[in-house]
Amino acid sequence: DVKVTQSSRYLVKRTGEKVFLECVQDMDHENMFWYRQDPGLGLRLIYFSYDVKMKEKGDIPEGYSVSREKKERFSLILESASTNQTSMYLCASRVSGVNGELFFGEGSRLTVL
Amino acid sequence: AQKVTQAQTEISVVEKEDVTLDCVYETRDTTYYLFWYKQPPSGELVFLIRRNSFDEQNEISGRYSWNFQKSTSSFNFTITASQVVDSAVYFCALRGLDKLIFGTGTLLAVQP
Repeated sequence: DVKVTQSSRYLVKRTGEKVFLECVQDMDHENMFWYRQDPGLGLRLIYFSYDVKMKEKGDIPEGYSVSREKKERFSLILESASTNQTSMYLCASRVSGVNGELFFGEGSRLTVL
Repeated sequence: AQKVTQAQTEISVVEKEDVTLDCVYETRDTTYYLFWYKQPPSGELVFLIRRNSFDEQNEISGRYSWNFQKSTSSFNFTITASQVVDSAVYFCALRGLDKLIFGTGTLLAVQP
């Protein structure tokens, strides 16, 4: 069964802390994505990666960075967490190509106090 | 610019009712793809269907059906004889030549 696994379902962090959200996929997909989901705003793309060591900014990259050292792993980093980064974070992957469907993880709900 | 509008924020129905979730899109691309995803309470979005802009044929999969109409820029989703397990947030998405964008989602609550 294909799977996208996010390391933490729930996290609570303090303002200013560095936060790592990890995502691993077992489908050998080239493309990986990080979205954040907020009520009334849908899913907004933070960063994506077409391949290992490649990264591209999405629509809301400010305050975030990413790392893709291995094909199966895509990490989202909050260098200095702020309360407005309290959200649900969703990782996804897909094969290359414009029409491939996304496979999502279960999400990581981050609360920043 | 691309845009996806899901005007229905929340819908509540009683089990066995039919329900239609609306999706209206805007794009200038002639080639594009439309998607529907389901997000149950567990949180994981699940792919339901993909349609390309050259295929306006409606699709039926069990109790689910999709009506794609380019003339009205709509890609509506109907659940026939709804069940409690259909309770979820449903997202419509559009992928043109540039990027994939999601609508804001419709929360469907099916009451027993």
